[in-house]
Amino acid sequence: EDKVVQSPLSLVVHEGDTVTLNCSYEVTNFRSLLWYKQEKKAPTFLFMLTSSGIEKKSGRLSSILDKKELFSILNITATQTGDSAVYLCAVEILAAGNKLTFGGGTRVLVKP
Amino acid sequence: DGGITQSPKYLFRKEGQNVTLSCEQNLNHDAMYWYRQDPGQGLRLIYYSQIVNDFQKGDIAEGYSVSREKKESFPLTVTSAQKNPTAFYLCASSIRQLEETQYFGPGTRLLVL
Repeated sequence: EDKVVQSPLSLVVHEGDTVTLNCSYEVTNFRSLLWYKQEKKAPTFLFMLTSSGIEKKSGRLSSILDKKELFSILNITATQTGDSAVYLCAVEILAAGNKLTFGGGTRVLVKP
Repeated sequence: DGGITQSPKYLFRKEGQNVTLSCEQNLNHDAMYWYRQDPGQGLRLIYYSQIVNDFQKGDIAEGYSVSREKKESFPLTVTSAQKNPTAFYLCASSIRQLEETQYFGPGTRLLVL
């Protein structure tokens, strides 16, 4: 059974802190790993990772994939209150229909 | 504006009643998906469709049905057989095999009266 596990479940930080979110997976036929940010119900796409060791960056967010150890991390530096959200990790299975298996999410609360 | 729309935003279901959630996209995407979100469980796949008139069961299809008569539309029916329908339902779409990113609609929250 395909499995995606995120940790921690939740965390509280203060503005300016750096957070690191973890996503580990056990799936057959891995194709890619995706990170989403969920604020107002619908997730918005952040990153797609397919290759090990190549960091993707977008502003204060960055992510990297380790296909040998089967995990990814999402880093947020200099956090702002607008970063408060649930961050979802999903793994795309190389099968019909681009199926995604999601982790349970990490809830991040950034306090002023 | 291109995008995915879901309606209604909130839906109330009485026991024994079937209800249908709407999902429409004008992105010209071939593939469409329905997910259910429960607290602490992330998103779970209910059904997906790669092409018109074809759809496949996901991980939790029991108690649900779908149709794909048009490329733009992928309605989800929550039947009376679904004993725990209260959840947040998200529809998504993607360009089949050319683009991995799935784009999500705003969601429908279903509540049982």
